Amino acid sequence: DAKTTQPPSMDCAEGRAANLPCNHSTISGNEYVYWYRQIHSQGPQYIIHGLKNNETNEMASLIITEDRKSSTLILPHATLRDTAVYYCIVRVASLGSSNTGKLIFGQGTTLQVKP
Amino acid sequence: EAQVTQNPRYLITVTGKKLTVTCSQNMNHEYMSWYRQDPGLGLRQIYYSMNVEVTDKGDVPEGYKVSRKEKRNFPLILESPSPNQTSLYFCASYSRSYNSPLHFGNGTRLTVT
Repeated sequence: DAKTTQPPSMDCAEGRAANLPCNHSTISGNEYVYWYRQIHSQGPQYIIHGLKNNETNEMASLIITEDRKSSTLILPHATLRDTAVYYCIVRVASLGSSNTGKLIFGQGTTLQVKP
Repeated sequence: EAQVTQNPRYLITVTGKKLTVTCSQNMNHEYMSWYRQDPGLGLRQIYYSMNVEVTDKGDVPEGYKVSRKEKRNFPLILESPSPNQTSLYFCASYSRSYNSPLHFGNGTRLTVT
């Protein structure tokens, strides 16, 4: 199965870009990478997802390396409200055309945005 | 509005008393799954379901049961809860397409005394 590894914590100054890395070196060719964040004990909130191309939406950018073994979530201008635990998730694909429901969570990175 | 609804939000019970945590989604998703979250251990998958009557074990299935009789519902059943099942539980739903977001419920905090 794919495995995801994230640093346990990071700090970022308010207004600066926050770059959160995730290692998923065992990812397979058709497995997507998703990023979510969790504030306190609320349900995880969707940020962005991608397969192999870089992606951008109103919240963040996702940079996936060419070999797909790692990715970086970029919050371009971090605010205090971005303080949260950020999870990198790989959705496991099975061989052939069949699908699976298994999700592999990283341990999460606690991002502290400081004034 | 796309929603995953879990009930109850908080539950305190005693060892051995059967309980069910409900999860319902309104997006017609094929996939649903359950997770528990414990300090220092992140989110761990308990069970998941690929469609009605199709379920499979996740990483920590011991002590839990699930059923998927209808597409929209995926209840988590603890036949004989024990204190080590005290945790924060999340339900999620997602479509067959990999290229779509996962949707999580707001969580159920269970305490077993």
